Amino acid sequence: EAGVAQSPRYKIIEKRQSVAFWCNPISGHATLYWYQQILGQGPKLLIQFQNNGVVDDSQLPKDRFSAERLKGVDSTLKIQPAKLEDSAVYLCASSRLAGNNEQFFGPGTRLTVL
Amino acid sequence: AQSVTQLDSQVPVFEEAPVELRCNYSSSVSVYLFWYVQYPNQGLQLLLKYLSGSTLVESINGFEAEFNKSQTSFHLRKPSVHISDTAEYFCAVIPFQGAQKLVFGQGTRLTINP
Repeated sequence: EAGVAQSPRYKIIEKRQSVAFWCNPISGHATLYWYQQILGQGPKLLIQFQNNGVVDDSQLPKDRFSAERLKGVDSTLKIQPAKLEDSAVYLCASSRLAGNNEQFFGPGTRLTVL
Repeated sequence: AQSVTQLDSQVPVFEEAPVELRCNYSSSVSVYLFWYVQYPNQGLQLLLKYLSGSTLVESINGFEAEFNKSQTSFHLRKPSVHISDTAEYFCAVIPFQGAQKLVFGQGTRLTINP
């Protein structure tokens, strides 16, 4: 079974530029999550999708971050414009369902904002 | 709301020595508990979880964790560590009710010295 795929693995941009991350979850997983992991901290949930609907985006900075999951499969997370404090690893995870189901994580995208 | 505290940011131990990684949580409702591991340059992987039943849970590679409801703790232990256990370990919780999202601790970096 293929794991969660993410691209790119690394991205360096200047502040005020835009950036997009892509995630392909495990086939058949209905729930998809985007996390932000700042250096020295644990992952923090940004947004959770159930199929192509948003379940929780309470911690997503909506003035600059957006995410979509068209057709309930792949997802993209965008930052526009980026700030220095957005430097972090962005993790995508998926699970069969929500709740206490195991979440499977991708390798992450390391974003550096200069 | 839930919070997770991992009391040690770094734990250095010698190979074949025992180790304990401490985790305490705070929640107004009952929670499920998890330990995730992140090996160098890899994504997060589930190590073990407590959902119900016996308060002592084990992983396939010799780790165990015990849920202590009165102390709101879920400490991770291994009687004899190996070089390959070098990784960052994250404790996390999901509440039984309400917003069912993983809340992570800040992580403990386990370094094994030969």
